[in-house]
Amino acid sequence: GQQVMQIPQYQHVQEGEDFTTYCNSSTTLSNIQWYKQRPGGHPVFLIQLVKSGEVKKQKRLTFQFGEAKKNSSLHITATQTTDVGTYFCAGWAGNMLTFGGGTRLMVKP
Amino acid sequence: DGGITQSPKYLFRKEGQNVTLSCEQNLNHDAMYWYRQDPGQGLRLIYYSQIVNDFQKGDIAEGYSVSREKKESFPLTVTSAQKNPTAFYLCASSTGTAITGELFFGEGSRLTVL
Repeated sequence: GQQVMQIPQYQHVQEGEDFTTYCNSSTTLSNIQWYKQRPGGHPVFLIQLVKSGEVKKQKRLTFQFGEAKKNSSLHITATQTTDVGTYFCAGWAGNMLTFGGGTRLMVKP
Repeated sequence: DGGITQSPKYLFRKEGQNVTLSCEQNLNHDAMYWYRQDPGQGLRLIYYSQIVNDFQKGDIAEGYSVSREKKESFPLTVTSAQKNPTAFYLCASSTGTAITGELFFGEGSRLTVL
């Protein structure tokens, strides 16, 4: 079946530093989604990318979808303590949405 | 307010007992999903349903059962056949199409087997 892998698994950064998480799928995806889960909470949808090579920005967050539609990245510029949480990518293949293992971001003030 | 309600939030169970987790949505979504999350892990799909009276197995369906008798409701039963049921269970819903299918999650049910 489809596998979605994320790296790194954990990332500690100093507040103000940048952060990037990478997502790779074993199969071509129709689209990719990103979710954020705060500690003790539930995943919340951030964004969806559909087109090959697509780049979207949300304030300090930049999302990219690879040309082959098999990889994606999330970059946060100048992290803040409010960015703490686990970031998941998820890819649709057929009728199933498969999640990556997530990257847990910890920010030191 | 529209959303997804899961209950109970915390549940303790003895080995050998079945337990049913409730999931109700008032978003008028066609598709509903159950995911399992283990500490420090991603989300693994247990079952999903795209329409009433129909559901499909996900990646880890063994030891679980579901029903979809109403559009709003998608209960999950964790049976005694599930070898390691202690986990955080998340229910979600979506409009059901892959192109527009953002998932809305409930707050989760944390099951502990004693």
